[in-house]
Amino acid sequence: SYELTQPPSVSVSPGQTARITCSGDALPKKYAYWYQQKSGQAPVLVIYEDSKRPSGIPERFSGSSSGTMATLTISGAQVEDEADYYCYSTDSSGNHRGVFGGGTKLTVL
Amino acid sequence: EVQLVESGGGLVQPGRSLRLSCAASGFTFDDYAMHWVRQAPGKGLEWVSGISWNSGSIGYADSVKGRFTISRDNAKNSLYLQMNSLRAEDTALYYCAKDMVPATYSNPYYWGQGTLVTVSS
Repeated sequence: SYELTQPPSVSVSPGQTARITCSGDALPKKYAYWYQQKSGQAPVLVIYEDSKRPSGIPERFSGSSSGTMATLTISGAQVEDEADYYCYSTDSSGNHRGVFGGGTKLTVL
Repeated sequence: EVQLVESGGGLVQPGRSLRLSCAASGFTFDDYAMHWVRQAPGKGLEWVSGISWNSGSIGYADSVKGRFTISRDNAKNSLYLQMNSLRAEDTALYYCAKDMVPATYSNPYYWGQGTLVTVSS
């Protein structure tokens, strides 16, 4: 079955740039989406269609995709950005199946 | 305001069945695809199933295919997940989520607060 691979953890100091990667064989053909989940809360979409930002999401969140890797970048990470981040995409089989990456714990301290 | 309220979770024995419901309001339900996503305690998100606005496109994760059935009733603004042959590994918080763009089958966008399913003897 199709898989998306993320690093388990990323750590940065406040004000630094955090980059979280997501690799998957179908990413050249399928969009990547990124979700932020804080402890005890439902996920929130922060990037859609590789690089678009929903309304209300701070400009420090950006996304890109090249080949089989998508990247979420948080420029000038804030303490409040500490959370779990998940990439999401769909497989290319035509079976209408979604898949999440394993998640990355971002620590900002 | 978009609202998604899941119900139907609880404690169930292995091998038994459970039906989850999601009541939607605040948007035109029959314009949007819907998804079920689950999260086991202390674990990551797992996409479970999705259904297009008109039920014409349906998908399942391999882990639930053949055991779970997604459906919707647009007249009742409701989404359902029939779960049969439940296993301990199905224990999770189950989220209902609305798709992002009308008339497409894209990605979970707006999420409910979830309903907890515990499979244990």
